[in-house]
Amino acid sequence: EAGVAQSPRYKIIEKRQSVAFWCNPISGHATLYWYQQILGQGPKLLIQFQNNGVVDDSQLPKDRFSAERLKGVDSTLKIQPAKLEDSAVYLCASRRPGLARLEQYFGPGTRLTVT
Amino acid sequence: EDKVVQSPLSLVVHEGDTVTLNCSYEVTNFRSLLWYKQEKKAPTFLFMLTSSGIEKKSGRLSSILDKKELSSILNITATQTGDSAIYLCAVAGSNYKLTFGKGTLLTVNP
Repeated sequence: EAGVAQSPRYKIIEKRQSVAFWCNPISGHATLYWYQQILGQGPKLLIQFQNNGVVDDSQLPKDRFSAERLKGVDSTLKIQPAKLEDSAVYLCASRRPGLARLEQYFGPGTRLTVT
Repeated sequence: EDKVVQSPLSLVVHEGDTVTLNCSYEVTNFRSLLWYKQEKKAPTFLFMLTSSGIEKKSGRLSSILDKKELSSILNITATQTGDSAIYLCAVAGSNYKLTFGKGTLLTVNP
């Protein structure tokens, strides 16, 4: 089965600019996650979708970050305006339906550099 | 707030050595503990443990969960240079969301 797809793989922007990331989960995976991984840290959950509904966005900086999954399949994460501290790898992950299957499968990530 | 602490943060060994990586956690409504390997960018899934004391094995890697001590270990025997990576521990708690530790950077020298 095809894995989680993400694009772009790399992005360099200046502070105060906007950027968007795209994710297409594994087919049939209803749950989709966006994580931020700063160098030297583990991934931190930003937002969790179940189909096209938000389950958890408690750690999403809503003044500048937004995410959507309109048709319950692919998703976009946007940052507007970007700050220097947003430099990180943004990982998308998806999970099979069912409470017994907790393992998440990650995409290759997007490395964002804000200058 | 759920918390995961991994130790050591980094480790350098020689090929053939055996290593033990540690993970301790504090989590509300524990569901399971997961281990991931991160080589370049994407973490890849290794194990999921839900029951205490049961060892999960895959080749030279094995892991055990101790729910009484709120901890887990990941063992790698006969290490190879290809085992060099960051090993991440995560716990699933309320809402089944994962909280990750900072990871252990393992370097295996030839």
